[in-house]
Amino acid sequence: NAGVMQNPRHLVRRRGQEARLRCSPMKGHSHVYWYRQLPEEGLKFMVYLQKENIIDESGMPKERFSAEFPKEGPSILRIQQVVRGDSAAYFCASSPRYVQTETQYFGPGTRLLVL
Amino acid sequence: QKEVEQDPGPLSVPEGAIVSLNCTYSNSAFQYFMWYRQYSRKGPELLMYTYSSGNKEDGRFTAQVDKSSKYISLFIRDSQPSDSATYLCALTGANSKLTFGKGITLSVRP
Repeated sequence: NAGVMQNPRHLVRRRGQEARLRCSPMKGHSHVYWYRQLPEEGLKFMVYLQKENIIDESGMPKERFSAEFPKEGPSILRIQQVVRGDSAAYFCASSPRYVQTETQYFGPGTRLLVL
Repeated sequence: QKEVEQDPGPLSVPEGAIVSLNCTYSNSAFQYFMWYRQYSRKGPELLMYTYSSGNKEDGRFTAQVDKSSKYISLFIRDSQPSDSATYLCALTGANSKLTFGKGITLSVRP
């Protein structure tokens, strides 16, 4: 039973390029969450999605960041025109239902480095 | 005031010691409490999950929640070098998003 999968594990981009991070939830899980971990900071919530719906994007920066979870395929976190401050570890988590009854299981993360 | 405060680290203990890790929170809406362990360059791994005041035990790990004081703890008995990692408390309410403490790095010396 595969866990949450994220790719790529490491991503290097130059300022101004686009970064696309992918997350495949655990089998049977229909809820996906994205978190960001900046150096020397804790994990911060970004966005919560269900299939084809954004449920809560209160943690997403207002510009350049977007997320989707299509009916088929992985969830995508997209960062346009990356800046050095976007360098961080981005983690995806999944759960089968609301977290009140089920907990969130994390993937290994994508480490983004912006040069 | 931050929503979740976690004791700063790092923390270094000898093998076999009892470790106490603590978090306090300010938002009464938090109803569910978790502890995650994160090894270097890895994703967080769920250790303990509880939703009520009191103690929950799992092997060498005990999670303690005091909702009246807004205080949660994780105790590790007979600590091992393999317990060396960063420990994160995580809390949530009705909105499903986890709010994390900053994390504390634990080192268990052989």
